[in-house]
Amino acid sequence: EAGVAQSPRYKIIEKRQSVAFWCNPISGHATLYWYQQILGQGPKLLIQFQNNGVVDDSQLPKDRFSAERLKGVDSTLKIQPAKLEDSAVYLCASSLDLNSGNTIYFGEGSWLTVV
Amino acid sequence: GDSVTQMEGPVTLSEEAFLTINCTYTATGYPSLFWYVQYPGEGLQLLLKATKADDKGSNKGFEATYRKETTSFHLEKGSVQVSDSAVYFCALVRSNDYKLSFGAGTTVTVRA
Repeated sequence: EAGVAQSPRYKIIEKRQSVAFWCNPISGHATLYWYQQILGQGPKLLIQFQNNGVVDDSQLPKDRFSAERLKGVDSTLKIQPAKLEDSAVYLCASSLDLNSGNTIYFGEGSWLTVV
Repeated sequence: GDSVTQMEGPVTLSEEAFLTINCTYTATGYPSLFWYVQYPGEGLQLLLKATKADDKGSNKGFEATYRKETTSFHLEKGSVQVSDSAVYFCALVRSNDYKLSFGAGTTVTVRA
């Protein structure tokens, strides 16, 4: 079974530039998450989708971050304009459905460096 | 709000030593509890989970028991190997909104 796919794996941009990350969840998984992991810290939830609807985006900095999952499958996360403190790994994850016992599977992450 | 607190690292051990990483949680309702592991340069992988009180999760020689009375989910392994060197994250999923929250992570280094 294919896992959660993310691209690009690595990206270096200058501050004030924009960047977009793409995620393809495991086939059939209705729930999709984007997390931000700053070096040395635990992952922090940015946004959670159920199919193409947003369940939780309370910690998404909406002045510069946006995310969408238009057809309920793939998702993109965009940052515009980027700041130095956005340097982090952006993790996409998916699970079968909204059930607290379901395993949440993570992709390998997209490593962003803002210079 | 709901949260997870885990033992600060880094932890350095010799091969075949006993490993314990403490994890406690605060939550309303009945969350599910997880341990994730992140090997160097890799993504997060589920190590084990427990979905209700007194459940024991186990995998690759690691074990953790969901203790509601002490709100804990400590990770243990009886004899660690160099290949167990990684960052370990305790996490919970709330039963009301299914939000996955992580602890800060504990870095474990096992020396040969």
